[in-house]
Amino acid sequence: DAGVIQSPRHEVTEMGQEVTLRCKPISGHNSLFWYRQTMMRGLELLIYFNNNVPIDDSGMPEDRFSAKMPNASFSTLKIQPSEPRDSAVYFCAGQSRFGDTIYFGEGSWLTVV
Amino acid sequence: QKEVEQNSGPLSVPEGAIASLNCTYSDRGSQSFFWYRQYSGKSPELIMSIYSNGDKEDGRFTAQLNKASQYVSLLIRDSQPSDSATYLCAVNPGGGADGLTFGKGTHLIIQP
Repeated sequence: DAGVIQSPRHEVTEMGQEVTLRCKPISGHNSLFWYRQTMMRGLELLIYFNNNVPIDDSGMPEDRFSAKMPNASFSTLKIQPSEPRDSAVYFCAGQSRFGDTIYFGEGSWLTVV
Repeated sequence: QKEVEQNSGPLSVPEGAIASLNCTYSDRGSQSFFWYRQYSGKSPELIMSIYSNGDKEDGRFTAQLNKASQYVSLLIRDSQPSDSATYLCAVNPGGGADGLTFGKGTHLIIQP
């Protein structure tokens, strides 16, 4: 079991650039979540998918953020254009339909300068 | 707004003592509760889950749940320096596969 795989692990980009974060969930996990973590706000749920369908995107901060899950093994979170206040750790996490525990990937550490 | 509240700390405990971490939640209908540990620069990892009122023990860890008071706690016995981390309380409000609501975490420091 390879766990939830995220890329890139670290990214430094300039304000205004497009950022794409990628996630490969654990096989068999039907739900996929994108969380953002900052010191000030803690872990915030941005969006989640169930069986590849977006269920709740109310946590997405604004239209600059978008997420897709084209198939059961891949999801992306895109920020366009990026701003310094987007600097955070972005976690992808998965959950099996057989249990309510969620498992996190290693995170993508984003710095926008 | 479903909320999970934790004291941010830092909570400093001498090595070998019992560390007590507390959490309250707002959604009375919440069904399941979790404690995650997060080391600096790492992702959260699950250490305990609890679903029923009372205590649940796993090695040096004991989770306690009181649904009437909407209160969850984690006790760490014989604290070790390696227990120094941020501990996140999480709640599954609906009991299904809709994700968890997290507290902001308590930073625990075990002093050698």
